[in-house]
Amino acid sequence: RKEVEQDPGPFNVPEGATVAFNCTYSNSASQSFFWYRQDCRKEPKLLMSVYSSGNEDGRFTAQLNRASQYISLLIRDSKLSDSATYLCVVNGINTGTASKLTFGTGTRLQVTL
Amino acid sequence: NAGVTQTPKFRVLKTGQSMTLLCAQDMNHEYMYWYRQDPGMGLRLIHYSVGEGTTAKGEVPDGYNVSRLKKQNFLLGLESAAPSQTSVYFCASSYSGHLIANYGYTFGSGTRLTVV
Repeated sequence: RKEVEQDPGPFNVPEGATVAFNCTYSNSASQSFFWYRQDCRKEPKLLMSVYSSGNEDGRFTAQLNRASQYISLLIRDSKLSDSATYLCVVNGINTGTASKLTFGTGTRLQVTL
Repeated sequence: NAGVTQTPKFRVLKTGQSMTLLCAQDMNHEYMYWYRQDPGMGLRLIHYSVGEGTTAKGEVPDGYNVSRLKKQNFLLGLESAAPSQTSVYFCASSYSGHLIANYGYTFGSGTRLTVV
């Protein structure tokens, strides 16, 4: 089983739609969770951290379900500019020297007119 | 405020040639990382460093070497390039310890390497 699994998509949605992505992770001891956004041929950029109680940033809402070991990202009122690949990122057990992040392969979102 | 800067941005090598990729960060981050990204495989960790003078192997270290002589720089070397090393290489840096949970990693803009 992969450490971090995502549906690769693509998710094709019309502008204004609500879309949700899920991601599952294998390490039950994982402590930190993130969503990154990556545009075509660009570097990944931090979209938001995911906190235990869930958190919202404008049109974006992230949720964590530790019991089922998945995190989700909800995008409301999709914009054309939201078209990108969304990477689910999880950290493993802190080794005491480094807390390495593991990246999912990403879910591609295409927002259309 | 440059963040993480990678040079070069593009490079074409012949099989067997060597080269060094440079990563520089101005955020006073302790940790630095080198990743490669290939279609369908996501980001894979090559080597990382938790401080000046330290390096450690990641998931796919074979064929690469690294050095961290200064805190702000992390070099990735290919001693004898192979076509399998054709990829996009990303450098990243981060704070240490629990601050990673708040800030994650900051990435450079990448180096596109083709080995022919």
